[in-house]
Amino acid sequence: AQSVTQLDSQVPVFEEAPVELRCNYSSSVSVYLFWYVQYPNQGLQLLLKYLSGSTLVESINGFEAEFNKSQTSFHLRKPSVHISDTAEYFCAVSSNTNAGKSTFGDGTTLTVKP
Amino acid sequence: DADVTQTPRNRITKTGKRIMLECSQTKGHDRMYWYRQDPGLGLRLIYYSFDVKDINKGEISDGYSVSRQAQAKFSLSLESAIPNQTALYFCATSDKGGLETQYFGPGTRLLVL
Repeated sequence: AQSVTQLDSQVPVFEEAPVELRCNYSSSVSVYLFWYVQYPNQGLQLLLKYLSGSTLVESINGFEAEFNKSQTSFHLRKPSVHISDTAEYFCAVSSNTNAGKSTFGDGTTLTVKP
Repeated sequence: DADVTQTPRNRITKTGKRIMLECSQTKGHDRMYWYRQDPGLGLRLIYYSFDVKDINKGEISDGYSVSRQAQAKFSLSLESAIPNQTALYFCATSDKGGLETQYFGPGTRLLVL
């Protein structure tokens, strides 16, 4: 079985501050890891993903996440956030077992204040 | 045009009524999913389908049924709606395999009175 724990349900930060959204996973097999973002009144969309290779993955809007196998973590970071980053962020795990289904965390609400 | 569309976007219904939520996709994906989102509970999988003839229950399928009318269409039905089915419902699609990104529709907000 696979599971995901997002350690913070809400993260308030000021604009231009750094942020880290934490995600830990559990799985007995090799995993693929994803971060999705949900802006208000919209569906989820992919932010970035780790499949294999370099453990540091980046998005086009300045977010990055690092796969840490020993700590079973995939934390999301951004060095300087903008108001427009206010959204809910979901970490997800999948594998080639479990019928390839994804398991989602409970979400972290990032609120960027001016 | 959006790759994954859902209708209706908002719906209010009464306890005991049957309701259908529809999902269409233009991505040509074989896999389709229905999730519900509740505050603080993330996304929970209701049903999923890997092709037209392959439909599977997710973790919270009780009280729901689905129909895969075509590769592009996957509908979710609440046979007899109850208030605790009030939620935001999302349809998603993906290509084969666990490494594939899921593409989500805009969601249907359902209120059961």
